[in-house]
Amino acid sequence: DAGVIQSPRHEVTEMGQEVTLRCKPISGHNSLFWYRQTMMRGLELLIYFNNNVPIDDSGMPEDRFSAKMPNASFSTLKIQPSEPRDSAVYFCASSLNGGETQYFGPGTRLLVL
Amino acid sequence: DAKTTQPPSMDCAEGRAANLPCNHSTISGNEYVYWYRQIHSQGPQYIIHGLKNNETNEMASLIITEDRKSSTLILPHATLRDTAVYYCIVRVAHGETSGSRLTFGEGTQLTVNP
Repeated sequence: DAGVIQSPRHEVTEMGQEVTLRCKPISGHNSLFWYRQTMMRGLELLIYFNNNVPIDDSGMPEDRFSAKMPNASFSTLKIQPSEPRDSAVYFCASSLNGGETQYFGPGTRLLVL
Repeated sequence: DAKTTQPPSMDCAEGRAANLPCNHSTISGNEYVYWYRQIHSQGPQYIIHGLKNNETNEMASLIITEDRKSSTLILPHATLRDTAVYYCIVRVAHGETSGSRLTFGEGTQLTVNP
């Protein structure tokens, strides 16, 4: 079985550019989570979808960040405009019915210059 | 969610059992104990969870004390590939709360030595 798929795996961009991260959850999972990991803040939840609907976006840092889930098999996290402090590893995870047994993707390493 | 306390680092010899402790003295009666690990440069990986009883699966065993104020994750025969950061998380199971926010602390860096 394919796990959670994320793309791109690495992204280097310049400050001010738009960045789009993509995630394909495990087939059959109806909950999707976006996390961010930095040395300073550790692993933190940004937003959580259940049945394609955002349930908890309290972790989204500011209006520059937006996330969508147009269907059950695809989600995007967009940063516009990007800033150097957005440099981090972004993980997508999925689970069944919002459960705490979450399956994480390999992550996208983002570097904003 | 209850706060957890874990040692920042531990070492273990390859082939020996690794016992990773977690203190959660403020745990509530409906809160579960979850363990995840994160191998370097990979996403976190679910290991095991439990409420009151000890649990075992193909990866590990979870021992929860009778008063539920602490637990121990046991890797029975540690290998070099078990070197990772191990996170102990305590939270109410989904269905009893509106969200599924997992709060990852700093965890324990387990180093398995040859």
